[in-house]
Formats: sequence, C-alpha cells, structure tokens
Amino acid sequence: SQKIEQNSEALNIQEGKTATLTCNYTNYSPAYLQWYRQDPGRGPVFLLLIRENEKEKRKERLKVTFDTTLKQSLFHITASQPADSATYLCAPGGGNTPLVFGKGTRLSVIA
Amino acid sequence: DSGVTQTPKHLITATGQRVTLRCSPRSGDLSVYWYQQSLDQGLQFLIQYYNGEERAKGNILERFSAQQFPDLHSELNLSSLELGDSALYFCASSVRVGVGSGANVLTFGAGSRLTVL
Repeated sequence: SQKIEQNSEALNIQEGKTATLTCNYTNYSPAYLQWYRQDPGRGPVFLLLIRENEKEKRKERLKVTFDTTLKQSLFHITASQPADSATYLCAPGGGNTPLVFGKGTRLSVIA
Repeated sequence: DSGVTQTPKHLITATGQRVTLRCSPRSGDLSVYWYQQSLDQGLQFLIQYYNGEERAKGNILERFSAQQFPDLHSELNLSSLELGDSALYFCASSVRVGVGSGANVLTFGAGSRLTVL
C-alpha cells in the first residue's frame, strides 16, 4: 500500500532562515505531488502542485522539488517568518484516485 | 472562507449515539471527499462522491455511511459512536487543474469537531 513519510514531526527554525521539509513516498508512482498548509483546528489549504515532468516549482517564497527516481519531494520556505508557522502536509497524487496525505511536519519559526 | 461549508462546527455526544455531518461543496464542484483527522492518525481518507455517485472508498468503518444529494451537498452519518471516533471530520471538494486529465486540487471546509463522551 502507499506509504508517505514526512521527515520529522516538528521543525524549529530561526526567522529569516530557509526551512526545508522532506516528503518520501513508496509503493506508487504519482503523476503529481501537492503540498498543503494546515493551521491548528482548521482545514488544510492548498499551496503548490508539481507535475512529474517538472523538477522544480516556485511560488513567492515557496519552492518545491519532485524527484521521481528518489520518490522524494523537498519543500522550501525562504526568508521564513513567524506567520509561516503551521503544519505542512505532503500529498503525492491528485489524478483519478483520492489524495492520501502524509502526517505532516509542524514548522515553528522563532522570532 | 474556502467556499466549502460544513455544519455543525462542534458536536458533543455520547457513546452509542448517531450523528450526521453536513457539507456543501464549492459552487460548481461535483466531487465531495470526506476525511477524518485524529491526533495520532493524521488525515485519513474516508469516501468520495462524484455527482451523486460513490467514486472511491477509503478506511471508512461499516458504522459510517455517506451520500451526496442532487443539489450536491453531502452528509456523513456516524452511528454506534465510540470514544475513538472523536476527531475532526473534514469535507473537501475539488477542481481539476491543468488541461487534459489534469490534477484534482482539494478545497477543504473548516471541519466538524466531534467529541464522543
């Protein structure tokens, strides 16, 4: 069955630094990979989608990479701010089958 | 406001009871997905409906059932409730991104927090 691992449950980082979150998946080959942000007690919010033929995707201070050989995605937040503190969920997929999510990494940006 | 509406926001009930959670998808979205999120399990896919028909089933217990109505709103029915059913229940609807087959990107509602005592 599909397995998704996000590198750590929690990550603390100093304001202004780059946060890097890792997502590894096994047992399937998704054509897409999505990242969502979730604040406590609220629904996840879509951030970025990357396709299997794209190596990298950027949106403002966010950057996502997708390595289909390693079955890994890296999610970067540059110049991190306390407002970036949230849980980030990785979800390989988005084609004809429902999205399966990783457990998430809780990011804390310390001022 | 995401455009996906869920009611009620909070619900407290006793073991053995039955509850119904309601979801209205974004205008124009035909798919509705239900997810359960508990502290130790993360976000778990339960079931998907597309234009009134069941499309996919995940880890949904037999005590749970869902349906999507002609106006596209959906209801998730949870019966014979147990303490372990306490969780946040999210509904999401999807829009297809890109040309051709595209990808489904989910828009989530604010969730319904169920507490079973």
